[in-house]
Amino acid sequence: EPEVTQTPSHQVTQMGQEVILRCVPISNHLYFYWYRQILGQKVEFLVSFYNNEISEKSEIFDDQFSVERPDGSNFTLKIRSTKLEDSAMYFCASSDRIPLHFGNGTRLTVT
Amino acid sequence: DQQVKQNSPSLSVQEGRISILNCDYTNSMFDYFLWYKKYPAEGPTFLISISSIKDKNEDGRFTVFLNKSAKHLSLHIVPSQPGDSAVYFCAASALGSGGSNYKLTFGKGTLLTVNP
Repeated sequence: EPEVTQTPSHQVTQMGQEVILRCVPISNHLYFYWYRQILGQKVEFLVSFYNNEISEKSEIFDDQFSVERPDGSNFTLKIRSTKLEDSAMYFCASSDRIPLHFGNGTRLTVT
Repeated sequence: DQQVKQNSPSLSVQEGRISILNCDYTNSMFDYFLWYKKYPAEGPTFLISISSIKDKNEDGRFTVFLNKSAKHLSLHIVPSQPGDSAVYFCAASALGSGGSNYKLTFGKGTLLTVNP
């Protein structure tokens, strides 16, 4: 069964550094998403992406965040200057319509 | 602002018995509801869904019930198996509101433990 793949599985970075989280969505999907889950909290929506543009973003998704689909297969989330509170699991998801299919996540640790 | 609430952080049941996981929502725009299952170190995996035009949807051992007037849904697992032990997330979407995405709003999850 096709799956969403995310790399790396774990990323450790220092505060103020830029990180790029990578995702390969399911190949025929058109809708792409990033969610995050801070330890012990709920899975929170960050951003959705369709037709090469952001379709919706949450309050969390401020100017420090950006998304890109640089080619036909990858979907990336960039955090420009990481903060301690950015430490979380970041999940990429893709969909044809509904349901969303999630990757196994990237654990981001900001020190 | 918890639009989707799962008030039980955990539930423990015996193998073979029924597991009932509950979810409440506050946003009247939600018209499609899903349950996801999550194992440690994995992403959420879609389990079952229901549209607001229905009150029940069944798939094998899993049944989801929707009570629109109460803004409440539940997931029944029967019989429960040890392999069902995981965190279960309730999620909701407002498909009818238009827009070009199928964004989900999640609850906090319920940790189900099925004891052999």
